[in-house]
This record gives sequence, structure tokens and C-alpha cells, in this order.
Amino acid sequence: DAGVIQSPRHEVTEMGQEVTLRCKPISGHNSLFWYRQTMMRGLELLIYFNNNVPIDDSGMPEDRFSAKMPNASFSTLKIQPSEPRDSAVYFCASSLTEYNEQFFGPGTRLTVL
Amino acid sequence: KQEVTQIPAALSVPEGENLVLNCSFTDSAIYNLQWFRQDPGKGLTSLLLIQSSQREQTSGRLNASLDKSSGRSTLYIAASQPGDSATYLCAVSRVDSNYQLIWGAGTKLIIKP
Repeated sequence: DAGVIQSPRHEVTEMGQEVTLRCKPISGHNSLFWYRQTMMRGLELLIYFNNNVPIDDSGMPEDRFSAKMPNASFSTLKIQPSEPRDSAVYFCASSLTEYNEQFFGPGTRLTVL
Repeated sequence: KQEVTQIPAALSVPEGENLVLNCSFTDSAIYNLQWFRQDPGKGLTSLLLIQSSQREQTSGRLNASLDKSSGRSTLYIAASQPGDSATYLCAVSRVDSNYQLIWGAGTKLIIKP
């Protein structure tokens, strides 16, 4: 298996623009997670999907953030409009079930100017 | 509230030494504990997962132990190599929400050739 795939790997955008991050989880995994990592706050869970359904979105910072999982093999995290404080590395992770170890993608490094 | 601490924040040792990384947590009601490594600019790689009912897990030169009663876990690396240089993070999952990982800040390990 190719592991968790994320795109793009790097994104530089200007404040106010819409940003869409993409994730393909490991085939057969029914749990998907979006995380954000910054130097100041470390790793933060943004949202958790189970069987394509959002279970916990309490970590989504603001209404500017939204996430979807239209099918078992694809998820998106959208920021609209983006702000400089959204600059971070965004990781997608998946696991076989919520009880199993999580496997992380390579991340998307987002810079908002 | 669960808090996870990793000390030291950084460690530098000569190649070939055996070493121990520490992780402590404040609430013993955990579901499992996971150790990850993160290479600069890259994602997280899962190393070992210990269920709350287990005492240790081994993978190659790595051995992780868990003592729930004292709120501690250690990651033992035998015969360290320069390729082991990375940041090592531990994370515990909550009993009441197994998917929710509480993260330590990590130990940055440098193995000197």
C-alpha cells in the first residue's frame, strides 16, 4: 500500500484566498483524522471521520474551516478565507478502526502571506 | 485533564550507545500509548503501539514499555545509529474517546557519528 497520500505537499497563498487540502487514506481504513502542527501548539486534532461521517469536529478552529469525506477514499480540508495565522503543517492520518494505530501522511505545509 | 510530558526536550549521544526516551502522563485511564518518530519536514511514522493491558512491545532495536500505575512509558533504542536521529513523540489515547490522542512535545534525538 502507498500509505496515506496528501496533496499538495506545499501551498503558498495570499490572505483571503481559498485553500483546499486533499487526502487519500489507506485502503480499508474506516477512520480518518485531520491534524494541524505548529511550533507553538504542537499537534492538534481538527476533525475525525468514521466511515465517512464526521464524528468530532470540536477541534476545527473557526467557521472558515470545513472538511468533507464524500467517500471512503477521499477527504478534503478547506479554509476559506485563509489568514496568515493558518500557516502550519496539516496532516491527514488514517487507522483501521478508531482503536488501532494511526498512520500519517507526509503533510501539507501551508503558508498564508 | 490528561497531560503528556517528554523529558528531555533534546538529547545528543554518540553512535552505538543504548538510550532511553521518557514519556509521562498524568491520568492512568488510557486506552493505549503510541510512539512516533518525525523526521524534519516529514510526516509522523508510527513505531510502536502498546495497549493499556500490555507491559511492552518490541520492534527490531526498539522496545517500548508501559507502566500505567506510575504514568510512565519508555522507548529503548539499542545500538543507536545516525539514521535514528529524529524527533520522537509519544501520544496516549483516552478511554472515553479512543481516537483522541494527547501528545507530548517530543524529544529531539541526535546521534553523532
